[in-house]
Amino acid sequence: NAGVTQTPKFRVLKTGQSMTLLCAQDMNHEYMYWYRQDPGMGLRLIHYSVGEGTTAKGEVPDGYNVSRLKKQNFLLGLESAAPSQTSVYFCASTPGGDEQYFGPGTRLTVT
Amino acid sequence: RKEVEQDPGPFNVPEGATVAFNCTYSNSASQSFFWYRQDCRKEPKLLMSVYSSGNEDGRFTAQLNRASQYISLLIRDSKLSDSATYLCVVNIISNNDMRFGAGTRLTVKP
Repeated sequence: NAGVTQTPKFRVLKTGQSMTLLCAQDMNHEYMYWYRQDPGMGLRLIHYSVGEGTTAKGEVPDGYNVSRLKKQNFLLGLESAAPSQTSVYFCASTPGGDEQYFGPGTRLTVT
Repeated sequence: RKEVEQDPGPFNVPEGATVAFNCTYSNSASQSFFWYRQDCRKEPKLLMSVYSSGNEDGRFTAQLNRASQYISLLIRDSKLSDSATYLCVVNIISNNDMRFGAGTRLTVKP
């Protein structure tokens, strides 16, 4: 099992550009999450999904959209990137309620 | 007030020392509790769950006090390899999301 994978690992965007981050898991987990981690802030939940075809807002959803068309994939989109979205983005999945398995992260810089 | 608060540290301790981390949470509806470990520039990984009766895993002991909304992690006989950031996590089951503390950084020195 590859576990949770994220694509890309690094990206630099200019303000106003768009991009999509891909998260994939091969553990047949129902729940998937997108977090951002900033210095001194800990991980903050952006959006999450409790199953294929469902999504919900987390703590800091503004400026992001998500889709879960297939159970194994959870996509995070930035329609118009802003410098405030410079962060490390982590995807996670869980069968439900307990341990979350994290991907290796995507380091995004918006200039 | 943050939902989950931790002392950011850093804690610098010698090998073999005992060190304790504390965490408080604000939402009394929190149902499950965890400690995660995060190495520099890596993803978080589960260290241990925290049960109401307290639980131990080798050199690590976790305690939960629901009345005071307080969680602790004790590390005995610290090793160099314990150097990392320790994240306190609470799960509000009804919201299907977990809330993370900002982490406590530990450095164990020879």
